[in-house]
Amino acid sequence: GNSVTQMEGPVTLSEEAFLTINCTYTATGYPSLFWYVQYPGEGLQLLLKATKADDKGSNKGFEATYRKETTSFHLEKGSVQVSDSAVYFCALTSPYAGSYQLTFGKGTKLSVIP
Amino acid sequence: EAGVTQFPSHSVIEKGQTVTLRCDPISGHDNLYWYRRVMGKEIKFLLHFVKESKQDESGMPNNRFLAERTGGTYSTLKVQPAELEDSGVYFCASSPGQGASTDTQYFGPGTRLTVL
Repeated sequence: GNSVTQMEGPVTLSEEAFLTINCTYTATGYPSLFWYVQYPGEGLQLLLKATKADDKGSNKGFEATYRKETTSFHLEKGSVQVSDSAVYFCALTSPYAGSYQLTFGKGTKLSVIP
Repeated sequence: EAGVTQFPSHSVIEKGQTVTLRCDPISGHDNLYWYRRVMGKEIKFLLHFVKESKQDESGMPNNRFLAERTGGTYSTLKVQPAELEDSGVYFCASSPGQGASTDTQYFGPGTRLTVL
């Protein structure tokens, strides 16, 4: 079946540090890949997505590239801010799943300190 | 445009009681999904509606869970009777159109259920 593995946190960084959150997946065929973010007290929001190999998703300074050869979709940001403190979820959907359900990783909690 | 809303935001009940969670999707979204996150675990899929029909209910844990979407608008998820292991956060999501694996799903804030 489909699965997503992401680095477990928590991750604590100083403001302006470089961020990488690793995500690898197992899926049949060509999944679509997503990063969702959950800010404190809020629901999940889509951060970025990529729907085919070598696509790069980007938003709010975050980037992730769909790497089929390594089955990875690592999230990066060059300079984090305190406002980026949140829980980040890597997820995928597969067109072969019969339904377009999201399969999630466990989530990585990021804390950015001033 | 209003987002996905869920009610209640929190619910505390005793084992054996019944609880009904409600989700109002974004207006016009035919696809509605339920997920839940049990403490320390991944967010797991429960089921998917297309309009009022259940497209996929493979994630429903057992027959104590009943989901409905009468008229293809809002949906309810009833747990009866509730057990301790049902505690967690229940999320609802919706997406527009015919449905595709590339679609973005828009999530509600979740309902935190605690079963004592």
